Amino acid sequence: DARVTQTPRHKVTEMGQEVTMRCQPILGHNTVFWYRQTMMQGLELLAYFRNRAPLDDSGMPKDRFSAEMPDATLATLKIQPSEPRDSAVYFCASALGGLAPREQYFGPGTRLTVT
Amino acid sequence: SQQGEEDPQALSIQEGENATMNCSYKTSINNLQWYRQNSGRGLVHLILIRSNEREKHSGRLRVTLDTSKKSSSLLITASRAADTASYFCATGYLLTQGGSEKLVFGKGMKLTVNP
Repeated sequence: DARVTQTPRHKVTEMGQEVTMRCQPILGHNTVFWYRQTMMQGLELLAYFRNRAPLDDSGMPKDRFSAEMPDATLATLKIQPSEPRDSAVYFCASALGGLAPREQYFGPGTRLTVT
Repeated sequence: SQQGEEDPQALSIQEGENATMNCSYKTSINNLQWYRQNSGRGLVHLILIRSNEREKHSGRLRVTLDTSKKSSSLLITASRAADTASYFCATGYLLTQGGSEKLVFGKGMKLTVNP
């Protein structure tokens, strides 16, 4: 049963601390997305990778957020320093990339609370 | 904005009734997808319709696409209490750079099916 996994599922941290979220995409999927979901803004695309290369991170605050894919089985999203406005649910999704947008498979999310 | 907009924002029906959700968008798309999100979970892909298709079925789901009106509808027939969830339309765009693609999610609509 192939699925996207994310860790941790919940994270509570104090303002100023570094937060790292991890995602394991479905084996064989070559496109990975990071989204942030809040009540006010809905689901926002932060960044995405194709074959481990960043293709679009225009939705990400560059001064504090960074996203990487150290290898094909791991994607990370880091916030340093964290702020209360970063509180949200962060989702990772993976897909088989191609010439047209494909269905995306979402992980369960990391619920981040910054106090 | 490339974001689709679901209508209504909330719908409450009785089990066994049909539920219709609409999505309108503003710019030309490559495809349109519908996703479901249960409370506290990640999004789950339901159905994808390409821009050259007009109607598609999957089980109790029927989706239509009218590119001239830039709108889509999702029909769930014979609804069940388990269909209670938030539903999102996502518009798929093919970007010119490197053949990459992008999905833009609407803010979602909440469906409640009462037993």
